[in-house]
Amino acid sequence: NAGVTQTPKFQVLKTGQSMTLQCAQDMNHEYMSWYRQDPGMGLRLIHYSVGAGITDQGEVPNGYNVSRSTTEDFPLRLLSAAPSQTSVYFCASFGQGKAGYTFGSGTRLTVV
Amino acid sequence: GEDVEQSLFLSVREGDSSVINCTYTDSSSTYLYWYKQEPGAGLQLLTYIFSNMDMKQDQRLTVLLNKKDKHLSLRIADTQTGDSAIYFCAERGTGGYQKVTFGIGTKLQVIP
Repeated sequence: NAGVTQTPKFQVLKTGQSMTLQCAQDMNHEYMSWYRQDPGMGLRLIHYSVGAGITDQGEVPNGYNVSRSTTEDFPLRLLSAAPSQTSVYFCASFGQGKAGYTFGSGTRLTVV
Repeated sequence: GEDVEQSLFLSVREGDSSVINCTYTDSSSTYLYWYKQEPGAGLQLLTYIFSNMDMKQDQRLTVLLNKKDKHLSLRIADTQTGDSAIYFCAERGTGGYQKVTFGIGTKLQVIP
């Protein structure tokens, strides 16, 4: 039981490049979310999904896309990277009957 | 929208008790959480309290909830150097599992 797995752990992108941050969970959780963590700003919700095929925007969705084709996977796509997207990204999942989110270990992204 | 506030930094001596405080604005909060984040890692659910409780104890951890004042605290007894981390307060309202609002985190420094 691996929990929530994020890849890669570190990434450097050039401005304008695109990439996908991967997230997978093996706990059969319905709910999955992407957060970004910035100094002095805590965690901000980017996108979330309440089940396969259903996604919605969070607090800071601009510049990011998501899809949820399976219960297990919830990738986050950066369409055209900007320096303002330099951050630590966390994927988290939440299952019925559970009290709180289970977090992945994060992806540290730097856009130059 | 909902807001969660907590102080940025707390320093204590090893063996003393630590008290981390948090205030929130959502009067419809159902669960209130404390997450711990160690350097380079994701957030780990430390403990939580349901909104109809006023206290929860779990080994060295005591959570106090004052619902009237919307104030949550986490007390760590006999603080150890391994407790050094960032502690996030979070609240979940009635808007669904994804509606979890996090504070900016309190960095706890334990001095040997």
